[in-house]
Amino acid sequence: NAGVTQTPKFQVLKTGQSMTLQCAQDMNHNSMYWYRQDPGMGLRLIYYSASEGTTDKGEVPNGYNVSRLNKREFSLRLESAAPSQTSVYFCATNRDRGMDTQYFGPGTRLTVL
Amino acid sequence: SQQGEEDPQALSIQEGENATMNCSYKTSINNLQWYRQNSGRGLVHLILIRSNEREKHSGRLRVTLDTSKKSSSLLITASRAADTASYFCATDAAGANSKLTFGKGITLSVRP
Repeated sequence: NAGVTQTPKFQVLKTGQSMTLQCAQDMNHNSMYWYRQDPGMGLRLIYYSASEGTTDKGEVPNGYNVSRLNKREFSLRLESAAPSQTSVYFCATNRDRGMDTQYFGPGTRLTVL
Repeated sequence: SQQGEEDPQALSIQEGENATMNCSYKTSINNLQWYRQNSGRGLVHLILIRSNEREKHSGRLRVTLDTSKKSSSLLITASRAADTASYFCATDAAGANSKLTFGKGITLSVRP
């Protein structure tokens, strides 16, 4: 079992470019999450999906969109990247939202120039 | 907004010593969790304590929860150099739309 996988591991974008961060899990979990981690800020929730077919905004959703493609996959899209979106992005999953431990992917380190 | 606030922000100890990290939170919770993050990696779950529990053990880890003071502590006994990492508390706030909210983390350095 791979657990939670994220692609790419590293990415450099220019301001205004778009990209999609991919996340996949083989744990048969219902809920999936996207966080960003910035120095001194801890982890902040961008979007989450409580179950296949549903998505909801987290604490910092502006500038992002998400797609829960199926139970396994949850993607995060930056339509027009800005330097303020330079961060490390983590995908996480758990069996059901709020009542269980979360399992994290290895992260995507994104730099926007 | 941050629900959990860890204390201290950084901790440096000698191998073999105990490390105590604290977390305070603001609103009622369903559970509180501690995670570890090694440099350049994702977070790894360590232990979960529910609001009706006061203490929990897992190997060299001991977690306490005081809901009256809205605080928790994580004790790592007989620390090892491999325990060097950042540690985060995360709270699952009580309520219909509860989400896991992470603190800013504690950086623990264990000197060999």
